[in-house]
Amino acid sequence: ETGVTQSPTHLIKTRGQQVTLRCSSQSGHNTVSWYQQALGQGPQFIFQYYREEENGRGNFPPRFSGLQFPNYSSELNVNALELDDSALYLCASSSPRVRANGYTFGSGTRLTVV
Amino acid sequence: DAKTTQPTSMDCAEGRAANLPCNHSTISGNEYVYWYRQIHSQGPQYIIHGLKNNETNEMASLIITEDRKSSTLILPHATLRDTAVYYCIVRALNYGGATNKLIFGTGTLLAVQP
Repeated sequence: ETGVTQSPTHLIKTRGQQVTLRCSSQSGHNTVSWYQQALGQGPQFIFQYYREEENGRGNFPPRFSGLQFPNYSSELNVNALELDDSALYLCASSSPRVRANGYTFGSGTRLTVV
Repeated sequence: DAKTTQPTSMDCAEGRAANLPCNHSTISGNEYVYWYRQIHSQGPQYIIHGLKNNETNEMASLIITEDRKSSTLILPHATLRDTAVYYCIVRALNYGGATNKLIFGTGTLLAVQP
């Protein structure tokens, strides 16, 4: 089975720009979550998608948005980038049928905003 | 906010058992204890989880106290590749697809020394 893959692995953007990060979920997983991890901190929950709908959101502003596609892959979009958006963005997939809702994480996208 | 407290860092000699403690004094009856680890520049990796009984798998053992207010993750024979940040998380299981986010703290940095 394939794991969770994220693209790109690294990205540099300028303040004010928009960015789209992509995630392919693990085979058989229909739930995708996104996390932001600042340097030296634990990952922080952004939102989750289940069957193409957002069904949970953390404390992030509306300029963080997402999509989930019929094949369960997902995108994270961030508008009007700020310097503090520089972080590792992690995607995790799961399924209610999987062992105790265990999440499988990708290796992340390192976003640098300058 | 994370519902767990862990030491910031620990050292362990290679080949010896690593015992990582976690306090979760406000855990609810339906919440499980999960452990993940994050090796540098990778996404978090699931290790083990449990409700009230001790658990063991190919990676580690989990010892949960009878009152469930604390637990210990045991890596029986630590290797250099076990050097990572270890996160202890409490969460309820949800099989209905609704959000069941992971709330990460700052974790314990385990440094395995040769």
